[in-house]
Amino acid sequence: EVQLVESGGGLVRPGGSLRLSCAASGFTFSGSEMNWVRQAPGKGLEWVSYISSSGGTIYYADSVKGRFTISRDNAKNSLYLQMNSVSAEDTAVYYCARNHNSCIDNWGQGTLVTVSS
Amino acid sequence: QIVVTQSPSASASLGASVKLTCTLSSGHSTYAIAWHQQQPEKGPRYLMKLNSDGSHIKGDGIPDRFSGSSSGAERYLTISSLQSEDEADYYCQTWGPGIQIFGGGTKLTVL
Repeated sequence: EVQLVESGGGLVRPGGSLRLSCAASGFTFSGSEMNWVRQAPGKGLEWVSYISSSGGTIYYADSVKGRFTISRDNAKNSLYLQMNSVSAEDTAVYYCARNHNSCIDNWGQGTLVTVSS
Repeated sequence: QIVVTQSPSASASLGASVKLTCTLSSGHSTYAIAWHQQQPEKGPRYLMKLNSDGSHIKGDGIPDRFSGSSSGAERYLTISSLQSEDEADYYCQTWGPGIQIFGGGTKLTVL
């Protein structure tokens, strides 16, 4: 069974940093493309970032480009999102999501990031 | 740029059927999409990948009550024999090179 378990969320001050993690199991993580997707309170889903299976190709949404960094450790079956210079607009539940044949086919349960002073 | 459009809300009675629509922007009518369900206070769940020819691949454990179809730039999710637990937000998603694009979601109310 595919499992994606996010961690690392919490309260962070504006301008601060936070690192999210996603532990993957139940599938060949090293062969899978991965994404981070977020959902602000009461809003819809917003794609944040994508990383290829090897980590060699990375994309970001314009809203986070230059502030967030996606990475992965295939030896540890883990996905990461380094969030820097956060603002209130980054407050959201952050989901780790697996791609299969280009579309998202599995989601984690999410981790809440709250940006507030 | 690909845009995916969904109606904000829909409603149907318990036991009835409902058809949700996702519309792809001009020039993207051959794109496949995915449907995802998000029940209240839960994370999203993948329902199916739906191709332009109407063929679809459902996720593990998705009931037969959920089916997909396509016509031109429209992609549909039909839920039959509606149950109370089907009350949820439904998101349509497509993709480009390295990016994922979500529709705004349809909030389904089961009356």
